[in-house]
Amino acid sequence: AQTVTQSQPEMSVQEAETVTLSCTYDTSESNYYLFWYKQPPSRQMILVIRQEAYKQQNATENRFSVNFQKAAKSFSLKISDSQLGDTAMYFCAFSVYDMRFGAGTRLTVKP
Amino acid sequence: DTEVTQTPKHLVMGMTNKKSLKCEQHMGHRAMYWYKQKAKKPPELMFVYSYEKLSINESVPSRFSPECPNSSLLNLHLHALQPEDSALYLCASSQRDLNQPQHFGDGTRLSIL
Repeated sequence: AQTVTQSQPEMSVQEAETVTLSCTYDTSESNYYLFWYKQPPSRQMILVIRQEAYKQQNATENRFSVNFQKAAKSFSLKISDSQLGDTAMYFCAFSVYDMRFGAGTRLTVKP
Repeated sequence: DTEVTQTPKHLVMGMTNKKSLKCEQHMGHRAMYWYKQKAKKPPELMFVYSYEKLSINESVPSRFSPECPNSSLLNLHLHALQPEDSALYLCASSQRDLNQPQHFGDGTRLSIL
């Protein structure tokens, strides 16, 4: 069975600083997709970044980047130059035959 | 602006009522999804429609009945729900399948009395 684990229920960071959110997963499949989704207090889920498992190059989207370690089954999200608008719940997600989300990390960016 | 529109935003119903949740997208996506999200929990996939056909049912009780009338619309028919079914119901869509980025609606907050 596919599982996704986020071991940090809550994190905080000062505005303009860098923060890294952790995610590990377990699967016997070799080809799959990994995602980070953000859910602000207004509740609409938004895609942050997506990684294809067969691509070794780490995905980046502006201030957001991932560290994808396939052998270690690790997929962490780095947010650089944190902004107040980054305050949200962040979910790591995994798709093969269905879609599984981790429990989430609540990130608070402090001014 | 939300590209996936869900109605109603809030719904309160009794356990004997029949109601429907509606989801609409006009992005030309061919895959649509229903998720259930309890407070402070991650979304749980319920149903997947691909090219208007039900492709995944995650062992959801029959009191939830999905329907995809066309590629832009997705309904979730509710009947004889239980109090534990109270949750936020999210609709999402993607271009073809689960491996593509999903666009989510704002959700319907459902309360069962």
